[in-house]
Parts: sequence; structure tokens; C-alpha cells
Amino acid sequence: DAKTTQPTSMDCAEGRAANLPCNHSTISGNEYVYWYRQIHSQGPQYIIHGLKNNETNEMASLIITEDRKSSTLILPHATLRDTAVYYCIVRVSGGSNYKLTFGKGTLLTVNP
Amino acid sequence: DAGVIQSPRHEVTEMGQEVTLRCKPISGHNSLFWYRQTMMRGLELLIYFNNNVPIDDSGMPEDRFSAKMPNASFSTLKIQPSEPRDSAVYFCASSLGQGVRETQYFGPGTRLLVL
Repeated sequence: DAKTTQPTSMDCAEGRAANLPCNHSTISGNEYVYWYRQIHSQGPQYIIHGLKNNETNEMASLIITEDRKSSTLILPHATLRDTAVYYCIVRVSGGSNYKLTFGKGTLLTVNP
Repeated sequence: DAGVIQSPRHEVTEMGQEVTLRCKPISGHNSLFWYRQTMMRGLELLIYFNNNVPIDDSGMPEDRFSAKMPNASFSTLKIQPSEPRDSAVYFCASSLGQGVRETQYFGPGTRLLVL
């Protein structure tokens, strides 16, 4: 699976959009980009995933660059409860496709 | 839906004791995963079951660890004998299938402390 690079930490003001970047420059054509988050003392929670098109759901939007080498997770109106570690994960679509390989993620702190 | 259920939520035991962690996956899910999280190593996959059959146990640290899934609604992770370095948060997750599009849903975890 391709490696991902994320900033260690970010801050965001409550009510503002939080834009979390992820670099996956070695991604291959059959690899999906997944985002999970882990709120303190809880299990990881699925947010969104995509292959090449931008995706949106009730939690967030995922913007993937045309060359697919990077992506951005957008929380449109961050709240204090969005404070968590956010993991960007690249998963291959064949073979051992059940594996989720978690890196260190980005600690997003939403400030009042 | 109750989500993935794990018990106990917290466990404190002494070195050498047997520890059994339990997991009830989401009803209808046929894939089950056990993960371990520590500060040093982050989240690691220990073992993966599909339709109650262990498919990949390459992440199981050593013979002291064993996992079973006797039926579709129950799994256990056992450590015998336990050691202080086994102290971690153990998560169980389940998914509807094993494909890349299948979302894994995690339980709240069991916090294990081995003294």
C-alpha cells in the first residue's frame, strides 16, 4: 500500500472549515483513499473514502487532486467534538484489501 | 444498531494471568478484525476472520496470543500468560465484507493493563 504523509497537528476555530491535507505521491491506480478519525478514548471512526472523484457525505468532503498524489479532507463547520486524530489511509483494491494501515495521523484541535 | 460491542472495557491484571477479551460484531457482518493500539506502535492489525475462519493471523505477536470465532456473533482474544508489554488498548472491528469498499466499524476498545 502507498505511504501517506500528514501534518502532525493542526488547529481550527470552531465554526470554521477544517482542511486536513494528506500526501500520497506513490499511490497507484487501484488504490483508494480512506479517512478515519479517532476521538480520545474511542475506537476509530470511518469518515469517507474515494478513488479519483471528489466525494461528500454528511460528515465531510474529500477532495482528491487530478494526479491523485494528494487529497484534502474538509470538515465544513468544525465543532469542538471534531477534535480528534485524523488518519489518511491508502488501500489497494485487490489482494490483502482488508488491511487498514494506520499511520500517526493529524491531531486536529478545534478551539472555541 | 448497537455497533460493535467489546467487554470488558477495562482490565487490570497481574503478569502471568490469563486475559480474555470479548467482541460481538455488528449483526450481519461477516468480517471481524482484532487490532492493538500502543503509543509506540500505533494501531496494528492482529488477526482477521472472514465467515468465522481466521484468514490472516500474521500480526499476532507470539504464541501467548490466540483468537477464536466460534460463531458469527462472538469472538475472543486470549493472552496466556500475560506480560506487562501486552498493556495496550485492544479494538475489535467488523465489516460487511472484505473488499476495499467495505467500511470497518470499530468497537470502543478494551484497555488492558498488565502489572
